[in-house]
Amino acid sequence: EAGVAQSPRYKIIEKRQSVAFWCNPISGHATLYWYQQILGQGPKLLIQFQNNGVVDDSQLPKDRFSAERLKGVDSTLKIQPAKLEDSAVYLCASSLGGGLYEQYFGPGTRLTVT
Amino acid sequence: DAKTTQPPSMDCAEGRAANLPCNHSTISGNEYVYWYRQIHSQGPQYIIHGLKNNETNEMASLIITEDRKSSTLILPHATLRDTAVYYCIVRVATNYGQNFVFGPGTRLSALP
Repeated sequence: EAGVAQSPRYKIIEKRQSVAFWCNPISGHATLYWYQQILGQGPKLLIQFQNNGVVDDSQLPKDRFSAERLKGVDSTLKIQPAKLEDSAVYLCASSLGGGLYEQYFGPGTRLTVT
Repeated sequence: DAKTTQPPSMDCAEGRAANLPCNHSTISGNEYVYWYRQIHSQGPQYIIHGLKNNETNEMASLIITEDRKSSTLILPHATLRDTAVYYCIVRVATNYGQNFVFGPGTRLSALP
């Protein structure tokens, strides 16, 4: 079974530039999550999709972050414009559903904003 | 969701059992205890979860106290590959809008 795929693995940008991350979840997984993990901290949930609908985006900084999951499969997370404090690893995870289902994480995208 | 408290770091000898504690004194009756781990430069990996009974799978055992205010993750025979950050999380098992909150976790170092 293929795991969660993410690209790119690494990205370096200057502040005020924009950046986009892509995630391909495990086939058949209805729920998709984006997390932000700052160095030395645990992952923080940014947004949760159920199929192509958003079910929780309470911690997404909506003035600069946006995410979409067209057709309920792949997802993209965008930051525009980036700030220095956005430097982090962005993790995508998927699960069969919400609730008790375990989440499968991708390898993450390491973003450095200079 | 209830908060958890874990020691920041622990060492264990290779081949010995590793016992990782977690305090969740404000846990509610409908909240489950989950454990994930994160090996360096990888995404977190699910280990085990439970509600009130002890649980065991091929990776680990989860012991939850009778009052459910604390739990222990047991890796029966630690190896160097078990070196990772271990996260204890409590959450309600509903489908939508539940914030899965990771704390800083416990950094376990398995020593040869």
